[in-house]
Amino acid sequence: DVKVTQSSRYLVKRTGEKVFLECVQDMDHENMFWYRQDPGLGLRLIYFSYDVKMKEKGDIPEGYSVSREKKERFSLILESASTNQTSMYLCASRGTGTVLYEQYFGPGTRLTVT
Amino acid sequence: ELKVEQNPLFLSMQEGKNYTIYCNYSTTSDRLYWYRQDPGKSLESLFVLLSNGAVKQEGRLMASLDTKARLSTLHITAAVHDLSATYFCAVDLKSTDKLIFGTGTRLQVFP
Repeated sequence: DVKVTQSSRYLVKRTGEKVFLECVQDMDHENMFWYRQDPGLGLRLIYFSYDVKMKEKGDIPEGYSVSREKKERFSLILESASTNQTSMYLCASRGTGTVLYEQYFGPGTRLTVT
Repeated sequence: ELKVEQNPLFLSMQEGKNYTIYCNYSTTSDRLYWYRQDPGKSLESLFVLLSNGAVKQEGRLMASLDTKARLSTLHITAAVHDLSATYFCAVDLKSTDKLIFGTGTRLQVFP
């Protein structure tokens, strides 16, 4: 079974803090994704990575950056957290060798910025 | 720009009843996905539909795809409380690695 883990389930940070969200997958997947989920807005793609050290902006990259130094790990960084970044953050991974091309999601990190 | 619309956004239904959730998308796509999310939990993959006319069934849920109409449906048969969750459809943006999600349908099944 594919396993995608995220470093924290719940996180509370103060405005202006630098925040790191970590995601690890154990299936040697090439693609990894960061989404945020807000009520009424569904899931919105922040960044994705299709290989080590490669990254692409998603639909809402402002205020975020990412790092992928190893294939299994994809980090989301909030350089200076703001209250409008309070949200549920979901990481996903996907392999490129299958027809189904499914994304597998981690358990999510609920971030509150005060 | 690819848009994915689901309706209804909220569905309250009685146990034993049937209902359908609709997912419309605005441009050509390779694949359509249905996911389930329980409150406070992550997304669980339900179905992947690859071609026009594809139909997949798992228990009381059946998903279908009409690529010409750019429409997928998720049909619920004889609903039970355990099906209460939020259901998302998502569409692959053709020739990219991106998934575009609908806003979700929150399903509540009551006795």
